[in-house]
Amino acid sequence: GAVVSQHPSRVICKSGTSVKIECRSLDFQATTMFWYRQFPKQSLMLMATSNEGSKATYEQGVEKDKFLINHASLTLSTLTVTSAHPEDSSFYICSARDPAGGIYEQYFGPGTRLTVT
Amino acid sequence: GQNIDQPTEMTATEGAIVQINCTYQTSGFNGLFWYQQHAGEAPTFLSYNVLDGLEEKGRFSSFLSRSKGYSYLLLKELQMKDSASYLCAVLDSNYQLIWGAGTKLIIKP
Repeated sequence: GAVVSQHPSRVICKSGTSVKIECRSLDFQATTMFWYRQFPKQSLMLMATSNEGSKATYEQGVEKDKFLINHASLTLSTLTVTSAHPEDSSFYICSARDPAGGIYEQYFGPGTRLTVT
Repeated sequence: GQNIDQPTEMTATEGAIVQINCTYQTSGFNGLFWYQQHAGEAPTFLSYNVLDGLEEKGRFSSFLSRSKGYSYLLLKELQMKDSASYLCAVLDSNYQLIWGAGTKLIIKP
């Protein structure tokens, strides 16, 4: 089945620094990837949709200058949290859609736990 | 607006059966997904329904009624490892996934 990896799995950073999270589709080419954020005991919140070779589409309320998304290839999307603050501490999950799949299933990466101190 | 409702939390006994309901109101419909999510982990795919009826897959079954905007996930022979959150998500007319808040299922011995 389709596999999505995410790196790093955990990261601790100081307030004001930037953190980059990578999302890779390992055995398929993903024209579309999604970035979610999940706070404790809450459901997934879609942050943005990342399309290969074009600008990401951000959901309402998500600051595009703070959460930089780059989808430079069909197998890699990156999310950079710039000038991180403690309130950005969360579980960040990416997913990818396999265009060759028969249904619009999203394959999820294992997630990245970000802690900003 | 778009809305997906599912119970916040349910409790069931090991070995029993539990049904988790999901109702939806979305702009268009291109299928409904159920995902399982253990604490601290990413969601994993359980089922996909696009036509009315029951889809059975081992201990898990999923049902859909498009006219009622309703689905349920049925878990049989519950095991302790089934303790997790179960997320209902609908693919709308733009092929965007609209997520429910999830149902936390607690299994007691």
